[in-house]
Amino acid sequence: QKEVEQNSGPLSVPEGAIASLNCTYSDRGSQSFFWYRQYSGKSPELIMSIYSNGDKEDGRFTAQLNKASQYVSLLIRDSQPSDSATYLCAVRSGAGSYQLTFGKGTKLSVIP
Amino acid sequence: SAVISQKPSRDICQRGTSLTIQCQVDSQVTMMFWYRQQPGQSLTLIATANQGSEATYESGFVIDKFPISRPNLTFSTLTVSNMSPEDSSIYLCSVEDTTGWSYNEQFFGPGTRLTVL
Repeated sequence: QKEVEQNSGPLSVPEGAIASLNCTYSDRGSQSFFWYRQYSGKSPELIMSIYSNGDKEDGRFTAQLNKASQYVSLLIRDSQPSDSATYLCAVRSGAGSYQLTFGKGTKLSVIP
Repeated sequence: SAVISQKPSRDICQRGTSLTIQCQVDSQVTMMFWYRQQPGQSLTLIATANQGSEATYESGFVIDKFPISRPNLTFSTLTVSNMSPEDSSIYLCSVEDTTGWSYNEQFFGPGTRLTVL
């Protein structure tokens, strides 16, 4: 059973702070890792993908991957109230699988 | 990225009836998927819609309950059959173009919010 675990939150941070979202996964063979943002009543929006150990930066977002620890995180710098949403971690196994396994998501609230 | 649309955006249905949800993409994509998101829960893959062949269903989902069509590279339908209140959920299609613009990344349509009474 492939599992993806996230703290459900809510995670509250003040505007301008760094928000840190964490995710662990059970399948050691996982190859691809994704962060989706989902606003209330909307569908998930892909914001970051990461495939190699280390950091990947895109604007205010940084994804970090540590395959040895089976851990992936998302940092949001200079958090804005518009970042308030649920963040879903998704993991894809290797070997030609297209299936994404999603965590239950972490709800982030950025307080003005 | 492609524009993905779903119809209907929401519906309220009676127990025992069926609803067909459409997913349309404005460009050809190799892979289309159907997910379910139950209230307060994360996404669960129902099936992969294969063009020109039968859909591939995940454990716990069967063709009789969730028949899927994929007549071409831009369109798919999911039918929720013989509905019960437990089928109340958001149904989402996603796409991935393994040959080009979205290699290894899936993008979601806006979803269909279904309520079964």
